[in-house]
Formats: sequence, structure tokens, C-alpha cells
Amino acid sequence: AQKVTQAQTEISVVEKEDVTLDCVYETRDTTYYLFWYKQPPSGELVFLIRRNSFDEQNEISGRYSWNFQKSTSSFNFTITASQVVDSAVYFCALTEAKKAAGNKLTFGGGTRVLVKP
Amino acid sequence: DTGVSQDPRHKITKRGQNVTFRCDPISEHNRLYWYRQTLGQGPEFLTYFQNEAQLEKSRLLSDRFSAERPKGSFSTLEIQRTEQGDSAMYLCASSLTTLDGYTYNEQFFGPGTRLTVL
Repeated sequence: AQKVTQAQTEISVVEKEDVTLDCVYETRDTTYYLFWYKQPPSGELVFLIRRNSFDEQNEISGRYSWNFQKSTSSFNFTITASQVVDSAVYFCALTEAKKAAGNKLTFGGGTRVLVKP
Repeated sequence: DTGVSQDPRHKITKRGQNVTFRCDPISEHNRLYWYRQTLGQGPEFLTYFQNEAQLEKSRLLSDRFSAERPKGSFSTLEIQRTEQGDSAMYLCASSLTTLDGYTYNEQFFGPGTRLTVL
């Protein structure tokens, strides 16, 4: 069974500070995908980033960056120079990458980020 | 707008009543997913369709729940004899999936239907 754990329930920062969100996952699959989604107060889940298990290269996309470490089963996410509009709940998610798999997502419990002006 | 749409956005019902939600996926997407999200938790998978075929159902989907996607386009989720524990946000997502190996295509989520059972 797959499991995603986000130990931080809420993080509060002042605008322009960096925010790092932790994610630890469990899976027996050898190939899988990891994601970060954002859920603003409006409620709609917004896809942010995807990483596959066979590529541990960490990347930066605008103000977002991620640190994927397969050895520790962690997939941490950083928002650089946070803005008030970044205030939302962030979810880490996991899915298997088998052929013809259902690709259903397993989500963590979410981390609420509050960016104060 | 060509995103995933859900109707209604909010539904308040009394315990014991039946409710039905609708999801319209992105038009060319062949997969459609239903998730449930209770307050303060992450979404949990309920079921998914590949075209019109329902291929997997979660243990969360009790006998009171039924989902259909009759023509491989829109989908409905019905809850019979609602209980207070059914109060949640019901999320629909769609994706265009090709069965060519390990390709994964992102799921795009709708705005959700918030159900309150009194």
C-alpha cells in the first residue's frame, strides 16, 4: 500500500521568506511519480510539479524548487521569496507508474501555508 | 473555459435523502476519477473510469455509492440514503492516458461539489 506523510500541518511566514514543505512517502513500487498540488481557498486543486522515480535530478521552476531523495523517500518542495498569493494548502501525492495502471493518486494530509504581508 | 466542471458546487441535504453529482471532464480526456476530501484531510480516491468502463473502486465506495459514465463523457456520482459521515468535498479529475508503458498524464481537477448532510 502507498502512503504519503506531510508532518507539517501549518507553516506561517512573512512575505519574501522561503518556505520548505516536507513530504515522506512509502511505496513498494519501483517506478512511481510524485507530485505537488496547491489548493487555494477557492478549493480547486492546482497541479504544480511532477517528478518520476527514475530521475533524481532536482530542478527549479520559477519560484518553485524540489528536492527528491529516493534513499530517504523524501520529496520536499520549496517556494522561494514567498508572496501572499502563495497562501494555500499544499499536497504531496504519489502514484504508481506501471503500464495500464489506474494512476490513482495517494495524497498526504496537506500543509497549510500562510504568508503574511 | 475547457477545464473540468462539476455541478452543483454546493449541496445541502437531509440525512436519508439521495443526491447526485455531475462531472464534465475535459473533452478529449479518456480517464475520469472521483475523489473525496473531508475537512482538513487530503483527497482520497473513490473510483475511476477508462472511457465508459469503471475499472477500479475503493473500499471507501460503499454500496450506497454508485458512479456511472454512460457514454464515456460526463460522469455522475450518486449517494443513496445519505449519512452525516458523507459530508465532504467530492472532487472529479480527468486525464488523457495512453497505455504505452510508463507515461503518466496529469490529472486536472474540477472545483468540487461540497456536500453537507444535516
